[in-house]
Amino acid sequence: GAGVSQSPRYKVTKRGQDVALRCDPISGHVSLYWYRQALGQGPEFLTYFNYEAQQDKSGLPNDRFSAERPEGSISTLTIQRTEQRDSAMYRCASSPGLADSSYEQYFGPGTRLTVT
Amino acid sequence: GQNIDQPTEMTATEGAIVQINCTYQTSGFNGLFWYQQHAGEAPTFLSYNVLDGLEEKGRFSSFLSRSKGYSYLLLKELQMKDSASYLCAVRDSNYQLIWGAGTKLIIKP
Repeated sequence: GAGVSQSPRYKVTKRGQDVALRCDPISGHVSLYWYRQALGQGPEFLTYFNYEAQQDKSGLPNDRFSAERPEGSISTLTIQRTEQRDSAMYRCASSPGLADSSYEQYFGPGTRLTVT
Repeated sequence: GQNIDQPTEMTATEGAIVQINCTYQTSGFNGLFWYQQHAGEAPTFLSYNVLDGLEEKGRFSSFLSRSKGYSYLLLKELQMKDSASYLCAVRDSNYQLIWGAGTKLIIKP
């Protein structure tokens, strides 16, 4: 069975451009999470969804960041007017249970974003 | 603030046993997870503890003491493929996972 997939795997963009990062979770997984991970650090929570509902977006750094999951499956993380400090690995994870369950999260390979 | 502390790096010998400690201070507690992450790859799940005590799974065991805000991951019969970073993550009162920076484990022959 397919795992979590993310696209693109690598994205280089110029400062000021908008980018959209896509996450395709494991089929049937109800919750979906977005993280940002710096080299040598653990993932940093950004936001998560139960089905199509965004439950918590308190980790989004500022209002240039937004996420959606309109049909409860594929999710898009959008960064508007990118800045160099947005350069990072962006990871998506999905889980078969809701956030309060004991199920683990399955991580995708990540999108490496570089803002020049 | 919320804080997860783990040693930055540990070294152990193939075939030996190693214990990786994790201490946490979070807003609420709804479970603790350990993940393994090989360089350049995604984290993969190892274990979950929500009650005090030891959870054993093959060569890996994880222990939790909620009163002490403490957990450890025990790896037995170390193999070279166990060289990786080990991440401790606590689920807080908002059901967010708060992650430690990870412990890089180096296995020597």
